Amino acid sequence: GNSVTQMEGPVTLSEEAFLTINCTYTATGYPSLFWYVQYPGEGLQLLLKATKADDKGSNKGFEATYRKETTSFHLEKGSVQVSDSAVYFCALISRAGSYQLTFGKGTKLSVIP
Amino acid sequence: EADIYQTPRYLVIGTGKKITLECSQTMGHDKMYWYQQDPGMELHLIHYSYGVNSTEKGDLSSESTVSRIRTEHFPLTLESARPSHTSQYLCASTGTGNQPQHFGDGTRLSIL
Repeated sequence: GNSVTQMEGPVTLSEEAFLTINCTYTATGYPSLFWYVQYPGEGLQLLLKATKADDKGSNKGFEATYRKETTSFHLEKGSVQVSDSAVYFCALISRAGSYQLTFGKGTKLSVIP
Repeated sequence: EADIYQTPRYLVIGTGKKITLECSQTMGHDKMYWYQQDPGMELHLIHYSYGVNSTEKGDLSSESTVSRIRTEHFPLTLESARPSHTSQYLCASTGTGNQPQHFGDGTRLSIL
């Protein structure tokens, strides 16, 4: 079956620091990969996505590249802000999984001034 | 941008009460989902539907039930609430194929 493993948090960074949140996956076939973000008290928002190998998803300064050879989709941002404090979820969807989302357990990021 | 609405946002209620959490979407999506999110953040799929009159249980066993009488509406019901039902409940919907799910803002439920 499909599975997603992401680095455990919490992660605490100073403002303007570089962010990496690791995500690796196991899936049958060719999954689409996503990063969702959950701000305090809210639901999940799609942050970025990639649908095939070597695709790079990007949004709001965040980037992630679909690496089929390492089955990874690491989230990066060059300079984090306090407003980036949230929980980040890596997820995948595939035809073999009946197109249901498989989530990682989430990584809580806190950015301090 | 998909519009998906959940009500109420917060509910504090006593044990034994019947509760219905509402979820509606305006995108005409066939697929809808309910997730339970525990305090440790992890999401668990508890129900899903692929269309009208179609409902299935998810990976996590739940005492709740759902119905799908209209495409846009996917309510979740607890017949007799218990403190163990205290959690956040998130509703989501999607179109066909590999499209990402769109989420509502959630209902934070507390059973006293």
